[in-house]
Amino acid sequence: DAKTTQPTSMDCAEGRAANLPCNHSTISGNEYVYWYRQIHSQGPQYIIHGLKNNETNEMASLIITEDRKSSTLILPHATLRDTAVYYCIVKSISGGSNYKLTFGKGTLLTVNP
Amino acid sequence: GAGVSQSPSNKVTEKGKDVELRCDPISGHTALYWYRQSLGQGLEFLIYFQGNSAPDKSGLPSDRFSAERTGGSVSTLTIQRTQQEDSAVYLCASSSLPTSGRALREQFFGPGTRLTVL
Repeated sequence: DAKTTQPTSMDCAEGRAANLPCNHSTISGNEYVYWYRQIHSQGPQYIIHGLKNNETNEMASLIITEDRKSSTLILPHATLRDTAVYYCIVKSISGGSNYKLTFGKGTLLTVNP
Repeated sequence: GAGVSQSPSNKVTEKGKDVELRCDPISGHTALYWYRQSLGQGLEFLIYFQGNSAPDKSGLPSDRFSAERTGGSVSTLTIQRTQQEDSAVYLCASSSLPTSGRALREQFFGPGTRLTVL
């Protein structure tokens, strides 16, 4: 799986959009970008994933650059409950054990009132 | 429906004792995973179940660790003769059947069991 780089921490004002960047410059053609988050003392939570097109669901939007070397997770109207560590992961669709999730350090997003 | 549940939420035990951790996956999810997360550490894969069989046990750290799944549903993770280094949060996740050639299915995690070995 390609390596990802994320800022250690970010702050966002409540009600504003939170834009979380992820660099994955070594991503290959058959690798997807996934985002999970982990709120303090809870299990990780799936947010969204994409291959090359931008994706949106009820939780967030995922913007992937045309060269696929970086992406941004957007929480359009951040709330205090969105304070969590956000993990960007790159996973291949091939390979017998691609189900194994491994998280790096992630970005601690703090939403401030 | 209900999400993944785990019990107990907290377990404090003495070194050398055996512990059993339980996971109830989302109904209908055929794949079940155990992970652990130590303080300040990342997510560590332990074992993967497909139905009642475990095709991948590669992450179990020692033979003191075992897991089983019955009826394609509930799973128990057993740690024998616990050691202090076993202290961690043990997370269970479930998903629809993983498929090759397509995007990895999202995994739904339980709240975890915090194990403390004194």
